[in-house]
Amino acid sequence: EVQLLESGGGLVQPGGSLRLSCAASGFTFSSYVMSWVRQAPGKGLEWVSAISGGGGSIYYADSVKGRFTISRDNSKNTLYLQMNSLRVEDKAVYYCAKHKISWRDGMDYWGQGTLVTVSS
Amino acid sequence: DIQLTQSPSFLSASVGDRVTISCRASQVITSYLAWYQQKPGKAPKLLIYAASTLESGAPSRFSGSGSGTEFTLTISSLQPEDFGTYYCQYLNNYPLTFGQGTRLEIK
Repeated sequence: EVQLLESGGGLVQPGGSLRLSCAASGFTFSSYVMSWVRQAPGKGLEWVSAISGGGGSIYYADSVKGRFTISRDNSKNTLYLQMNSLRVEDKAVYYCAKHKISWRDGMDYWGQGTLVTVSS
Repeated sequence: DIQLTQSPSFLSASVGDRVTISCRASQVITSYLAWYQQKPGKAPKLLIYAASTLESGAPSRFSGSGSGTEFTLTISSLQPEDFGTYYCQYLNNYPLTFGQGTRLEIK
């Protein structure tokens, strides 16, 4: 059974940093593109970042480029999102999501989400 | 970047109704478009990918169609459990844009 379990969310002051983790199980982690998607309170879904199976290709939304860093440790089956220079508008539930084997076919498994609150 | 505009933003329909949700792209895109259902407090679920392919486990009353700039999600006979918010997503290239969502309420 595929499982994705996010952790690392919490309350941080503007300008601060957090690192989110997503522990994956039930599939060959290194074979799949993984994404982070966020959802601000009461708002829609926003794709944040994606990383290829081997980690060699990385993509970001313009809203986080230069502040967030996606990475993965395939030996630990874990996806990460390092978030620096956090802004009030980064407050959201952050989901990690597994793409289908053809990454353009969408995200077929999602974690339960972890809440990041940015406030002074 | 590609923009996706969904219509309507809100929809109220009765059990048994045929429901259609539209997703319009800002320019011609390939058929790498997906549809998701999200219920309050839960993660999204993939319903349709490649514009018209039903995801394994998704009910057969859901179908997708379209090409070019116009795509549609159809629920053939609305069921009580179909409430929630529906999103389309562009997947041909990065950034992987989502539509703004369509909230579906059961009358």
